[in-house]
Amino acid sequence: AQSVTQLDSHVSVSEGTPVLLRCNYSSSYSPSLFWYVQHPNKGLQLLLKYTSAATLVKGINGFEAEFKKSETSFHLTKPSAHMSDAAEYFCVVTLDSNYQLIWGAGTKLIIKP
Amino acid sequence: DAGITQSPRYKITETGRQVTLMCHQTWSHSYMFWYRQDLGHGLRLIYYSAAADITDKGEVPDGYVVSRSKTENFPLTLESATRSQTSVYFCASSIGRQLRSTDTQYFGPGTRLTVL
Repeated sequence: AQSVTQLDSHVSVSEGTPVLLRCNYSSSYSPSLFWYVQHPNKGLQLLLKYTSAATLVKGINGFEAEFKKSETSFHLTKPSAHMSDAAEYFCVVTLDSNYQLIWGAGTKLIIKP
Repeated sequence: DAGITQSPRYKITETGRQVTLMCHQTWSHSYMFWYRQDLGHGLRLIYYSAAADITDKGEVPDGYVVSRSKTENFPLTLESATRSQTSVYFCASSIGRQLRSTDTQYFGPGTRLTVL
């Protein structure tokens, strides 16, 4: 069975420091991987996606993620956190043979001034 | 460019009542989806639609009904609401004519539904 695990339910960092949100997946097939962000009382916005091209994927707002097949990971990073990054982040996987999005439980990113 | 809209944004209802959540997209996307989001969980797919008059069940379809008479609209109906259906509901759409794992889904702002 396919699954997505976001290793931290909450991450708290100070403004200006690096951000790391961790995501591991299990899949028997070649996955596509996404990160979505949800700001309070807003819809879900695509940050970036990996679809078997370059393993380092750059997204919007300075975020990037690296696909590591050997570690079955797709961690999201940003060099310097901004207050506006405070939101919930979801790691999502789809299967090569299927459309269905499999969602992680989410990681709430808290930015301290 | 309105994108994808949902109405109402907030709804409180009582157990046993029928409730319809509306979803409208202006992009003429082929695929549309309904998800529910519960605290501590990711999104779960309720129903999806490949085109007008074509719908199919997702992971958690029980207690829900959908229709798609027009490409741009995809209403979700709870025929007899239960407390367990208290949730945030998201509608999404995807441009592809065939569902592919690489396709991006675009989400509406969500409807927060409370069933008392």
